[in-house]
Amino acid sequence: TQLLEQSPQFLSIQEGENLTVYCNSSSVFSSLQWYRQEPGEGPVLLVTVVTGGEVKKLKRLTFQFGDARKDSSLHITAAQTGDTGLYLCAGESSNYKLTFGKGTLLTVNP
Amino acid sequence: KAGVTQTPRYLIKTRGQQVTLSCSPISGHRSVSWYQQTPGQGLQFLFEYFSETQRNKGNFPGRFSGRQFSNSRSEMNVSTLELGDSALYLCASSPGHGGNQPQHFGDGTRLSIL
Repeated sequence: TQLLEQSPQFLSIQEGENLTVYCNSSSVFSSLQWYRQEPGEGPVLLVTVVTGGEVKKLKRLTFQFGDARKDSSLHITAAQTGDTGLYLCAGESSNYKLTFGKGTLLTVNP
Repeated sequence: KAGVTQTPRYLIKTRGQQVTLSCSPISGHRSVSWYQQTPGQGLQFLFEYFSETQRNKGNFPGRFSGRQFSNSRSEMNVSTLELGDSALYLCASSPGHGGNQPQHFGDGTRLSIL
């Protein structure tokens, strides 16, 4: 069974601070997706990374896929209150199944 | 473009009953996946349907089943409900089956077992 460990589990910061959340596994994934979920809603896809070492930027969010395609990170610069939510990573295995981490619950305080 | 629609949004059942949840995918999407989300276990994959055929299955007991219709709409059924089945059940659609398919999630059905 492939497992994805996300850290930290909870993160509470002030508006304007930077933060990084991590997604780690001992398994290799063919791709990795990041989602954000807000209360009462389903997860929304932020980005997909496919190539080892790949870096993708989405405004203030920077996503990196590890060289060995076993881990990923999400860095947010100058966090805003609108960034509050549950951040989920999901790795795709060779049989196209998605395995989700348990998420990082981010709270950005004004 | 309408998103993924799940009905009902909330449901309360008692132990031993059965329940059917419905999911209408985004128009043109042919793959539907189901997930169970709980605070302790997070999001866990139940199964995926594509072209009315189950293509992938997670590690859930046989009480959990599903089907997909010719219009790509999908239903999930849980029989002999247990307290531990209380969860948010999420449906996600994608254009096809295979690698690198972005999942478009509905807002879920919150199932509570009394």
